[in-house]
Amino acid sequence: DAMVIQNPRYQVTQFGKPVTLSCSQTLNHNVMYWYQQKSSQAPKLLFHYYDKDFNNEADTPDNFQSRRPNTSFCFLDIRSPGLGDAAMYLCATHLNGHAEETQYFGPGTRLLVL
Amino acid sequence: AQSVTQLDSQVPVFEEAPVELRCNYSSSVSVYLFWYVQYPNQGLQLLLKYLSGSTLVKGINGFEAEFNKSQTSFHLRKPSVHISDTAEYFCAVSGTGGSYIPTFGRGTSLIVHP
Repeated sequence: DAMVIQNPRYQVTQFGKPVTLSCSQTLNHNVMYWYQQKSSQAPKLLFHYYDKDFNNEADTPDNFQSRRPNTSFCFLDIRSPGLGDAAMYLCATHLNGHAEETQYFGPGTRLLVL
Repeated sequence: AQSVTQLDSQVPVFEEAPVELRCNYSSSVSVYLFWYVQYPNQGLQLLLKYLSGSTLVKGINGFEAEFNKSQTSFHLRKPSVHISDTAEYFCAVSGTGGSYIPTFGRGTSLIVHP
């Protein structure tokens, strides 16, 4: 059974048109992460939530926002997508933020900006 | 802060041959080390991790890695690869204090030829 679910798997949007990516989890984990992964590059952490506490990486553009309305769901909002935002977006979860536990990733949403 | 260097962007190998994927890290503090695998169009999956204890760590799918503190390395090995091992492999490092926020390397593409 899927544990970290991302919808949609593929998203096409137009330059400047807001888009929302969705992540849900059935693991009841406290921590949820959003990563951006461009072709042949390492996943780059955008932000993460520990419960409702939001943690933004210093170099995450203001164009990227996130919401976590409850434990199970987390959303990534891109307010005005540019061509450079085309990437794979990965959601991940973690039980309690301790390295002894395993981080679980969703399958990703591939975003294309036209 | 930590950093990870994966020295090889691509490693081609024939089926049933042994393989080593190299990873070096840099950190001013004690570290935990991880290897993840990413199959095409999927999220990352944990292969193995080093937290403490024995420097030889065994993971899933027949992979193992050895932590070498003096050489700041954590190379991944498999004695005999299969076609199904074709994937992207990411080395990651996190500090031992605080929350689990891994820093990923750029990845190594393992290509197994028949």
